[in-house]
Amino acid sequence: NAGVMQNPRHLVRRRGQEARLRCSPMKGHSHVYWYRQLPEEGLKFMVYLQKENIIDESGMPKERFSAEFPKEGPSILRIQQVVRGDSAAYFCASSPSWDSRVQYFGAGTRLSVL
Amino acid sequence: QKEVEQNSGPLSVPEGAIASLNCTYSDRGSQSFFWYRQYSGKSPELIMSIYSNGDKEDGRFTAQLNKASQYVSLLIRDSQPSDSATYLCAVSGGGADGLTFGKGTHLIIQP
Repeated sequence: NAGVMQNPRHLVRRRGQEARLRCSPMKGHSHVYWYRQLPEEGLKFMVYLQKENIIDESGMPKERFSAEFPKEGPSILRIQQVVRGDSAAYFCASSPSWDSRVQYFGAGTRLSVL
Repeated sequence: QKEVEQNSGPLSVPEGAIASLNCTYSDRGSQSFFWYRQYSGKSPELIMSIYSNGDKEDGRFTAQLNKASQYVSLLIRDSQPSDSATYLCAVSGGGADGLTFGKGTHLIIQP
């Protein structure tokens, strides 16, 4: 029973490039969350999605960041025109429909912007 | 704005002793409370969840919740060196909400 799968584990981008981070929730989980952890900072909620719907994006930066969870395939967090301040660990979590309170985290994607 | 406060530590505890970790939260409407453990460079791992006032025990771990005082704690009995990690307190409004995390307490168990 695979856990939350994130890829890539490490991603290096130059300033101005685009970063695409992927997340496949645990089997049977229909809720997906993205969090960002800046160096020496706590985890910050970014966005909550269900299939084909963004439920809560109150933590998403207003510009350059977007997220989707299509009917087929993984959830994608997209960062356009990356800047050095985007360097962080990005974690995806999922929760099951039968207990949506509990979230299980993937291994994360470490984004480094040069 | 919802806030979760934790003492950043480090908290140093001798092996075999009880480690006590504390957390306060600002939003009185919070309904769900969690403790996650995070090793350096790794992802958060769920340790405990608690939803009602009182104590909840799971093995060497006990979570305590006091909603009136807006206070959550985690006790680790018979502390082991492998318990050395950062412990994150997380809070949500209940249901499928995003979690609000504290910055974590760095726990060191001394052999």
